[in-house]
Amino acid sequence: EDQVTQSPEALRLQEGESSSLNCSYTVSGLRGLFWYRQDPGKGPEFLFTLYSAGEEKEKERLKATLTKKESFLHITAPKPEDSATYLCAVQPGNQFYFGTGTSLTVIP
Amino acid sequence: NAGVTQTPKFQVLKTGQSMTLQCAQDMNHNSMYWYRQDPGMGLRLIYYSASEGTTDKGEVPNGYNVSRLNKREFSLRLESAAPSQTSVYFCASSTQGANQPQHFGDGTRLSIL
Repeated sequence: EDQVTQSPEALRLQEGESSSLNCSYTVSGLRGLFWYRQDPGKGPEFLFTLYSAGEEKEKERLKATLTKKESFLHITAPKPEDSATYLCAVQPGNQFYFGTGTSLTVIP
Repeated sequence: NAGVTQTPKFQVLKTGQSMTLQCAQDMNHNSMYWYRQDPGMGLRLIYYSASEGTTDKGEVPNGYNVSRLNKREFSLRLESAAPSQTSVYFCASSTQGANQPQHFGDGTRLSIL
């Protein structure tokens, strides 16, 4: 059965305190792993696509990495505007399966 | 630069009423999707349309129907609303194929009394 597990459920960081979010998955034939950011009252906003183990993508303070069983979203020196829920999704076929997300709060 | 547009943004229904949620995209995407998002459950796929003229069930299709009206539009219908269908509904679209991200609308918040 295809599934995605994200941890932790919630994370509070001081501004400038770096950390990582985890997305572990079991899927039969990965066609893509995706990271999204979701702000309250909004739809998910696409951040990164990863496909091959060892692949890395970066955008501003965010870096996503991929292994055969999990992906990490590293947040370096976060700012309060990085506060949001971060969602991970996998694509084994034509469908996408989402994790329940990590709610990140960055305190000034 | 609209992307994915959902209407209405909010709706309150009584049990047993019917309604249709509308979704339109202007990115020339082949594939479109309907999700529901509930606290602690994450996004769950209701139905999807891999290309114009096709629709398939997702993880939680019971109580819903869909219509792919044309390449741009994909509607979700609740024939007889139930309180368990109270949720936030998101429409998404993507280019067909592997490794193609989805682009989401801002959702319809639906309450069923």
